[in-house]
Amino acid sequence: LAKTTQPISMDSYEGQEVNITCSHNNIATNDYITWYQQFPSQGPRFIIQGYKTKVTNEVASLFIPADRKSSTLSLPRVSLSDTAVYYCLVGWANFGNEKLTFGTGTRLTIIP
Amino acid sequence: NAGVTQTPKFQVLKTGQSMTLQCAQDMNHEYMSWYRQDPGMGLRLIHYSVGAGITDQGEVPNGYNVSRSTTEDFPLRLLSAAPSQTSVYFCASTPGTGGNTQYFGPGTRLTVL
Repeated sequence: LAKTTQPISMDSYEGQEVNITCSHNNIATNDYITWYQQFPSQGPRFIIQGYKTKVTNEVASLFIPADRKSSTLSLPRVSLSDTAVYYCLVGWANFGNEKLTFGTGTRLTIIP
Repeated sequence: NAGVTQTPKFQVLKTGQSMTLQCAQDMNHEYMSWYRQDPGMGLRLIHYSVGAGITDQGEVPNGYNVSRSTTEDFPLRLLSAAPSQTSVYFCASTPGTGGNTQYFGPGTRLTVL
């Protein structure tokens, strides 16, 4: 069961690029790395997923080094609406007994 | 598609009462799970299911039961409510094709007096 470690909180100014790193030293071969965003009183929302190297979509990039023991979520040019809690999740849900457990998350605050 | 739906949105119980939180998804996902989130805290896995007829315990299963008779539905039953079960409960589903992309419902806010 891959355990994840993230910074508890981060602050950034509007327009900056924000990088949030997640450590997952005991990641398994089949595990994927997924990042979620959660606003107050809402369920988490999928942002991006990757297995290795770099993945980019319309809202974020995910950087995964070759050893896969960490990953970095990159949010370009953040705005006030990016203030939320961000969770890194490591696991694989494919007919196995994989428990998808969340870490404590990173509370990101964007400053005007 | 409605995605993942949960009912009720809000519920108040007295200590010792039992109730069932409903969760349904219309995406034909194999994997479903229940989480609880206490104020200011992260999500903790209660129970999960990798397919109809198969369930297993998560991190905090005590006081909760689940069943999975169909692919679509995954109800969570509180056996005898306690104030420590006051929380927001989220249901999620994941396609059974690898990865761990979860689609979450809107949550049920439960208060136990």
